[in-house]
Amino acid sequence: KQEVTQIPAALSVPEGENLVLNCSFTDSAIYNLQWFRQDPGKGLTSLLLIQSSQREQTSGRLNASLDKSSGRSTLYIAASQPGDSATYLCAVQSSSWGKLQFGAGTQVVVTP
Amino acid sequence: GAGVSQSPSNKVTEKGKDVELRCDPISGHTALYWYRQRLGQGLEFLIYFQGNSAPDKSGLPSDRFSAERTGESVSTLTIQRTQQEDSAVYLCASSLGQSDTGELFFGEGSRLTVL
Repeated sequence: KQEVTQIPAALSVPEGENLVLNCSFTDSAIYNLQWFRQDPGKGLTSLLLIQSSQREQTSGRLNASLDKSSGRSTLYIAASQPGDSATYLCAVQSSSWGKLQFGAGTQVVVTP
Repeated sequence: GAGVSQSPSNKVTEKGKDVELRCDPISGHTALYWYRQRLGQGLEFLIYFQGNSAPDKSGLPSDRFSAERTGESVSTLTIQRTQQEDSAVYLCASSLGQSDTGELFFGEGSRLTVL
């Protein structure tokens, strides 16, 4: 059974610092890994999707890496801003169809 | 539509009543998911539909929960004889389906409060 863990559970940084969020999974046979953002009382917004054959994906200030063999993904957010404050979730999909297994999320606060 | 639409956005009901939650996926998306998120907790998988295939119901917590989807359109999640522990945000997501990247798009959720 796939288990997804996110560390730390919460993170507070001053504006301008880089953020590093970690995600680990127990079964390396994955189809893809996705990072989402969730604002309070809202649904999830897809940030980055990494296919199993890829090592990283980048979008603006966001960069996500994937190391399947070690069961890890890292989301980097450069030069954090207060608007980056949210909960970040990673999710793993084991095949081209089927459910995503989510981690519990990392709650991020960026202070001005 | 432009995104995944869910209704109602908020529902307050009394213990023992039945509720129906609706999800309208992105047009053309063959895959549809329901997740539950209790206060302060992670996402809990409930059910998955892929085209005309038999749905994956492995996440439904009890026989009080059921879901239907007509073709590749609207889905309805029904909770019978609601209990207080059913209080949560119910999230729906859709994706293009098989042979796709698998990227999921979520709705804003339906917040259910059982008194």
